Amino acid sequence: EVQLVESGGGSIQPGRSLRLSCTASGFIFDDYAMHWVRRAPGKGLEWVSGISWSGGIIQYTDSVKGRFTISRDNAKNSLFLQMSSLRPEDTALYYCAKDRVSVVEGSFDLWGQGTMVTVSS
Amino acid sequence: DIQMTQSPSTLSASVGDRVTITCRASQSISGWLAWYQQKPGKAPKLLIYKASSLEYGVPSRFSGSESGTEFTLTIASLQPDDFATYYCQPYNDYLGTFGQGTRVEI
Repeated sequence: EVQLVESGGGSIQPGRSLRLSCTASGFIFDDYAMHWVRRAPGKGLEWVSGISWSGGIIQYTDSVKGRFTISRDNAKNSLFLQMSSLRPEDTALYYCAKDRVSVVEGSFDLWGQGTMVTVSS
Repeated sequence: DIQMTQSPSTLSASVGDRVTITCRASQSISGWLAWYQQKPGKAPKLLIYKASSLEYGVPSRFSGSESGTEFTLTIASLQPDDFATYYCQPYNDYLGTFGQGTRVEI
């Protein structure tokens, strides 16, 4: 079955770190760029970060630059998001999303169900 | 950053209606626009990419068009399964925030 399954979310205090994971199945993982997209409660969708098929090209939205790190392990069909210095405004449902192509283009033809991150003291 | 203005925010319609949703970009995005459908509790679903290309498996009643910086998603004949929220999204060199969303309701 073609799917993406996220894990690693939870409740955490401001300033702490958290690592999200996404496991892919049913398609050739290292043929495609991958992304993280989030939705804060009551708000719309926001692209967070993307990584090319090889990991050679990485992009971030401005609000997470220097705090979040995206990575992938093609041998394990896995995508990661290391989140540091978390802020309350990072509270959101985080989706793993597959790009239609191998480079960081950003149209997403497969999404996971999301993992919730709550940053609160 | 590219700003996307999506309208309307809510749209009331009936089965069989022709529905149009619009997104206007703050600058040229050279057609790099996608449309998604999202239902409550579900992940978004890609409908249209590159402004007017229909994603595989999406019904042909969905179509996209562009005129300069204005993009339109049209549902030719609204079906019960189409009641959802729709988002536009610039991508490629313009990757960033999605449109605010349009909720299509009865």
